[in-house]
Amino acid sequence: DTEVTQTPKHLVMGMTNKKSLKCEQHMGHRAMYWYKQKAKKPPELMFVYSYEKLSINESVPSRFSPECPNSSLLNLHLHALQPEDSALYLCASSLALQGEQYFGPGTRLTVT
Amino acid sequence: QKEVEQNSGPLSVPEGAIASLNCTYSDRGSQSFFWYRQYSGKSPELIMSIYSNGDKEDGRFTAQLNKASQYVSLLIRDSQPSDSATYLCAVPVGSSNTGKLIFGQGTTLQVKP
Repeated sequence: DTEVTQTPKHLVMGMTNKKSLKCEQHMGHRAMYWYKQKAKKPPELMFVYSYEKLSINESVPSRFSPECPNSSLLNLHLHALQPEDSALYLCASSLALQGEQYFGPGTRLTVT
Repeated sequence: QKEVEQNSGPLSVPEGAIASLNCTYSDRGSQSFFWYRQYSGKSPELIMSIYSNGDKEDGRFTAQLNKASQYVSLLIRDSQPSDSATYLCAVPVGSSNTGKLIFGQGTTLQVKP
């Protein structure tokens, strides 16, 4: 089973809202990732967690705040987003860093 | 700047033909290589990984790796309209254990019935 789940599937939020994206995997993977993908572009790495610790932040604005409550869950807290933050947000996991990454279905975010 | 390059396409092939997708990478230290398929509006799906020089076959898919030429390709035999998608080549950053993948821009494949 290589399933990564993400909720919600779609999210529309205003620029003053606070919302959270959730990601879950039960494959025993110890590395989890957040990516952002714009139309017709490849995924762009935002954060990497390894063994529940943040190991990479790709200079992401502070209005995006990741959290890894346990080895199966990954959250992305959103606050004061801009319209240009509208994109598909993808979660991925891998058994270990440098391993095969499996993507969830994504959350389509629209900021109004 | 480490790079992964793919022709953006679209690559158009008739149904039943072999589709050949190519990818070059700049980092000689790269040890693993991944192909993802992404349908429009969906998330990337891992379809092949390859670690050693030569060919790796999985059903209608064959990945080919040539580390000396820094070249990895994906062949799709007996192409079907359902194979129409964007194919992303992804390479981990060098040999460092960071989890960072560099993606190519993707090649759009169109299989015409």
